Amino acid sequence: DIQMTQSPSSLSASVGDRVTITCRASQSISSYLNWYQQKPGKAPKLLICPASSLQSGVPSRFSGSGSGTDFTLTISSLQPEDFATYYCQQTYIVPRTFGQGTKVEIK
Amino acid sequence: EVLLSESGGHLVEPGGSLRLSCAASGFTFSNFAINWVRQAPGKGLEWVSVISGGGGRTFYADSVKGRFSISRDNSKNTVYLQMNSLRAEDTAVYYCAKDRDYSSDYLSYSGVDVWGQGTTVTVSS
Repeated sequence: DIQMTQSPSSLSASVGDRVTITCRASQSISSYLNWYQQKPGKAPKLLICPASSLQSGVPSRFSGSGSGTDFTLTISSLQPEDFATYYCQQTYIVPRTFGQGTKVEIK
Repeated sequence: EVLLSESGGHLVEPGGSLRLSCAASGFTFSNFAINWVRQAPGKGLEWVSVISGGGGRTFYADSVKGRFSISRDNSKNTVYLQMNSLRAEDTAVYYCAKDRDYSSDYLSYSGVDVWGQGTTVTVSS
């Protein structure tokens, strides 16, 4: 199985900050990497699929990059509604594994 | 509007069985793979299983292989997850989620773009 490792596990940031979350795959997954946002008590929301393609309706302050084994999610200017947990997921091969999540908290 | 709605979550004793359902509407159901993803209390997301649009291909996480079975009835726009030999570690909110991209007899490489609200499974004596 492909292991997905996110870093950091949590971070504290202020409104307006630039935030970067990384996701590393244990083997190459080409560009088949997706990013999700989850708020407490809610289902996840697809942000980027694959790698660098913004899902329709997602604000342009979100961006993704990477290929192979190393990927990043960047929020260019953190907004109050962005405080949430973010997950990466590979869909290159089954099982379609998720990273452990990165919780973005208010500083 | 594209909607998914799970049902069937319940309190069950260890070793017991449960069948979850995922009812879909608002899209051509047989054209899309459906996944089950679970989240244990206070934990992250865990992918559980997926079934292709036509139902001919099914895949499972190692943690549930041999105990869980996914199926679909395209005439009823419903996917099922039969869960047997349940363990305490299966306690979680179970979500069904639709692949974003079209696929019928194979799996796409896409993520999932529509999720249900989740149904809670508790395994405890």
